Amino acid sequence: DAGVIQSPRHEVTEMGQEVTLRCKPISGHDYLFWYRQTMMRGLELLIYFNNNVPIDDSGMPEDRFSAKMPNASFSTLKIQPSEPRDSAVYFCASSAKGQTSSYNEQFFGPGTRLTVL
Amino acid sequence: AQSVAQPEDQVNVAEGNPLTVKCTYSVSGNPYLFWYVQYPNRGLQFLLKYITGDNLVKGSYGFEAEFNKSQTSFHLKKPSALVSDSALYFCAVRDSWGKLQFGAGTQVVVTP
Repeated sequence: DAGVIQSPRHEVTEMGQEVTLRCKPISGHDYLFWYRQTMMRGLELLIYFNNNVPIDDSGMPEDRFSAKMPNASFSTLKIQPSEPRDSAVYFCASSAKGQTSSYNEQFFGPGTRLTVL
Repeated sequence: AQSVAQPEDQVNVAEGNPLTVKCTYSVSGNPYLFWYVQYPNRGLQFLLKYITGDNLVKGSYGFEAEFNKSQTSFHLKKPSALVSDSALYFCAVRDSWGKLQFGAGTQVVVTP
């Protein structure tokens, strides 16, 4: 298995532009998580899905952020409009099915490093 | 609310010496605890977890962790550190909704 795939790996954009980050979870996993990592705030959970349905988006900073999961193999995180304070590394992670899937470890993608100028 | 604390921003150890990375937790109910490692420019990698059972949990790359309920701790250990163990280590606790709450991370530096 290729693991969790994220694209792009690096994104540089100007303030006000729309940014779309993409994630392909590991096949068969039914949980998908979006995290943001910064030096100041550490690792923050933004939103997570179970069976393609958003379960908790309380970590989404504001209305400029939105996430979708149209099917089991694809998710997007969109920022519109982007601001310099959104600069961070964004990680996608997925975890496996099963009765105790919520206890299963999460597998992280390599991340997307976003820079907003 | 669940939380974890990693009291050390950085741990320095000489290669071959024992390595310990500290983690304390606060939960209501049974704790479900995890350790992850992050190498530069990489995503987090799972090392080990405690759900129930033996207090000593063995994981990847020779790491182990000791669950101590009375001290609410879950310290990560390795008997003999390698230079390649230099990385950022995160402790995490699972909350009642299945989400992981991560600590701030501890940078481990292993010198030759």
